[in-house]
Amino acid sequence: EIVLTQSPGTLSLSPGEGATLSCRASQSVTSRYLAWYQQKPGQAPRLLIYGTSSRATGIPDRFSGSGSGTDFTLTISRLEPEDFAVFYCQQYGDSPITFGQGTRLEIK
Amino acid sequence: QVQLVESGGGVVQPGGSLRLSCAASGFSFSTYGMPWVRQAPGKGLEWVAFIRFDGSNKYYRDSVEGRFSISRDNSKNTLFLQMNSLRAEDTAVYYCAKPVGGADTSEGLVFDIWGQGTMVTVSS
Repeated sequence: EIVLTQSPGTLSLSPGEGATLSCRASQSVTSRYLAWYQQKPGQAPRLLIYGTSSRATGIPDRFSGSGSGTDFTLTISRLEPEDFAVFYCQQYGDSPITFGQGTRLEIK
Repeated sequence: QVQLVESGGGVVQPGGSLRLSCAASGFSFSTYGMPWVRQAPGKGLEWVAFIRFDGSNKYYRDSVEGRFSISRDNSKNTLFLQMNSLRAEDTAVYYCAKPVGGADTSEGLVFDIWGQGTMVTVSS
């Protein structure tokens, strides 16, 4: 199975700053089938990005995704207070679908 | 609006059984493959099982193969997960989720709507 490794484990930033989260796959992700989710404590995950760079419905344009092959990035420009959470990447091009272990984005 | 509501979780002893349900509304349930995804306390997300839109094919992660069974009733817009021979490591919040895309589409395995989850605790 494809193992996804996210870095950093924790990212401490201030509102207004930009954030860059990384997701590295153990082998190439088929057809760029890579997604990003945000999860806040006690809540279900929320889909942000799919197909590497397509924003899900209702997701603000300060969230963007990029990458190919084994290296993918979620970029959040101008952090808002509500953006601080745990972020997971997911690949869905190969069976079984797998998730990364998460990056915690915390307020500095 | 699109909604998924899980139920059936609880506390069970090792070796016991539980049946989870996921009631779907607001979308054409019978045209979507559906998954169960779990999250152990303080841990990340883990795919558990997936069933095709018509129930014709079912897929499981290795650690639950032979113990868990996924099924659906399209006439009642409901997804199920029968969990037998439960182990401590099955303790988690179990979510059902709706894919972005319908059956056999490229976005059939990425999920834009999630239920609130139901907690399963396996403990003696």
